[in-house]
Amino acid sequence: DAGVTQSPTHLIKTRGQHVTLRCSPISGHKSVSWYQQVLGQGPQFIFQYYEKEERGRGNFPDRFSARQFPNYSSELNVNALLLGDSALYLCASSPDYDLTEAFFGQGTRLTVV
Amino acid sequence: AQSVTQPDIHITVSEGASLELRCNYSYGATPYLFWYVQSPGQGLQLLLKYFSGDTLVQGIKGFEAEFKRSQSSFNLRKPSVHWSDAAEYFCAVGTYNTDKLIFGTGTRLQVFP
Repeated sequence: DAGVTQSPTHLIKTRGQHVTLRCSPISGHKSVSWYQQVLGQGPQFIFQYYEKEERGRGNFPDRFSARQFPNYSSELNVNALLLGDSALYLCASSPDYDLTEAFFGQGTRLTVV
Repeated sequence: AQSVTQPDIHITVSEGASLELRCNYSYGATPYLFWYVQSPGQGLQLLLKYFSGDTLVQGIKGFEAEFKRSQSSFNLRKPSVHWSDAAEYFCAVGTYNTDKLIFGTGTRLQVFP
């Protein structure tokens, strides 16, 4: 079975630009969560989506948004990129909103220059 | 406030030596506790988790952890470290029906031959 798939694996953007990151959960999983991991830090929670509804949101500005599609895949959008948005963005999928069965993808490394 | 503390930023051990990584948490509800491992440039892999029952839990790759409620700790142990264990280790806490995991800042493990 395929694990959690994230795309792209790496990308470089310029300050002020917009970026879209994508995540495909494990087949049968209905929940997707997004985390930001700045170099040298632990992951920080951004969003959780379950059954296409936002279930939780972390302490991130409104420049960050996300959505979940009918096939349970998800997109994370970041507008007006700042240098401080450079990070590894991790997606986690779980069968439902219970986090005891969360599996993480390999992440997308975003560099803002 | 909910938080996870990993007091050791960097630990160096010799191959074959025993290992203990410390984790302390502050959490208002009954905690679910996790240990994840992250190799350079990779996502997070779950080593083990605890949410009820026996306070000594066994995980993959020969790791174990012990939950001590009185000390608010969930330390990770391995009796004999292998060179392939060199990585970053993260402790995380959540609870039933929560939307997110809260991670510590990680402990980088270096293994010398």
